[in-house]
Amino acid sequence: DAGVIQSPRHEVTEMGQEVTLRCKPISGHDYLFWYRQTMMRGLELLIYFNNNVPIDDSGMPEDRFSAKMPNASFSTLKIQPSEPRDSAVYFCASSLGTGGAGYTFGSGTRLTVV
Amino acid sequence: RKEVEQDPGPFNVPEGATVAFNCTYSNSASQSFFWYRQDCRKEPKLLMSVYSSGNEDGRFTAQLNRASQYISLLIRDSKLSDSATYLCVVNQAGTALIFGKGTTLSVSS
Repeated sequence: DAGVIQSPRHEVTEMGQEVTLRCKPISGHDYLFWYRQTMMRGLELLIYFNNNVPIDDSGMPEDRFSAKMPNASFSTLKIQPSEPRDSAVYFCASSLGTGGAGYTFGSGTRLTVV
Repeated sequence: RKEVEQDPGPFNVPEGATVAFNCTYSNSASQSFFWYRQDCRKEPKLLMSVYSSGNEDGRFTAQLNRASQYISLLIRDSKLSDSATYLCVVNQAGTALIFGKGTTLSVSS
């Protein structure tokens, strides 16, 4: 398996633009997680899905953020409109169950909003 | 108060040194505990799980004190390749992992 695949690897956008981050989880994994990492706040959970259904979105910062998982092999995280404070590395991870030994992270998307 | 707290470091040690990292967690309902390793500009990867009885994996020893809500990681005979950020991670049943901000280790020759 190729692991968790995220795209794009890097994204630079202007404030106010829409940004879409993509994730393909490992086949067979039933959980998918979106995390955001900054120097100030570390790695924060944004939202996670179980069998394509959102379970906990309490970490989503505000209405500008939305996430979807239309099928077991694809998820998106959208920011509209983007702001400079959204600049961070966004990681997607997948696992079989919520046990922490089985999380596989993607390489992340480094987002810069100018 | 953050759920998982770690000393950010950096810890700067010479090769061959022994170094210990500590972590505290605030939620007594936490059930699973881990150390993840993150190299610069890379994704986090599982280093080891932490069990109540303590566990060892080569040069790495992890310990858990549930009463004090405290987790530790000991690295013996440090190598240059151990330079990374070490993330303390906790988990409650059926929920997502909660990460500490990490402790940075730099091993020099």
